[in-house]
Amino acid sequence: AQKITQTQPGMFVQEKEAVTLDCTYDTSDPSYGLFWYKQPSSGEMIFLIYQGSYDQQNATEGRYSLNFQKARKSANLVISASQLGDSAMYFCAMSRGGTASKLTFGTGTRLQVTL
Amino acid sequence: GAVVSQHPSWVICKSGTSVKIECRSLDFQATTMFWYRQFPKQSLMLMATSNEGSKATYEQGVEKDKFLINHASLTLSTLTVTSAHPEDSSFYICSARLPYSYNEQFFGPGTRLTVL
Repeated sequence: AQKITQTQPGMFVQEKEAVTLDCTYDTSDPSYGLFWYKQPSSGEMIFLIYQGSYDQQNATEGRYSLNFQKARKSANLVISASQLGDSAMYFCAMSRGGTASKLTFGTGTRLQVTL
Repeated sequence: GAVVSQHPSWVICKSGTSVKIECRSLDFQATTMFWYRQFPKQSLMLMATSNEGSKATYEQGVEKDKFLINHASLTLSTLTVTSAHPEDSSFYICSARLPYSYNEQFFGPGTRLTVL
């Protein structure tokens, strides 16, 4: 069975600073995908970044980067130059295989960006 | 990017009635759609996988007779909550995968169901 753990229920960061949201996972599958989604108060799930288990390099998408440490089974999200609009819930998720199939989500981290 | 819509965005119904929620992929065809449920301040839990032209596959613990899923076309999946009860009140979100997408699911905006 797959399991995603997000140990930070809430985080604060000052505008323009960087922040790291933690995510650890557990799976016995050799091939899997790791995802981060943002959920604003409006409810929609916004895809941020993806990392495949066989990818050699850490994924980056604009201000988002994924710090993938396979041996430690961690996939932390780093947001650089935080903006007020980054305030939201952030969910780490995992899929079986490399494709976006069934997703198992973590419990989420609420990020609040302050002035 | 690909757009997924849901209708209605919110619904209030009386206990014992049935409610249908639609999930549409607006600019692509989706052979596979997923239905999730999210209780307040909790994570998303996968309920079922909706496959076009075949029966849905349900996750363990999800009553298939209570949550009826129909995926009649490549752009539409429906979730019907039958004989709804207050404990079914939740945020229901669907997602769709592009047929040849490697790494992305596109989520709908969600439907908030309140059962009185």
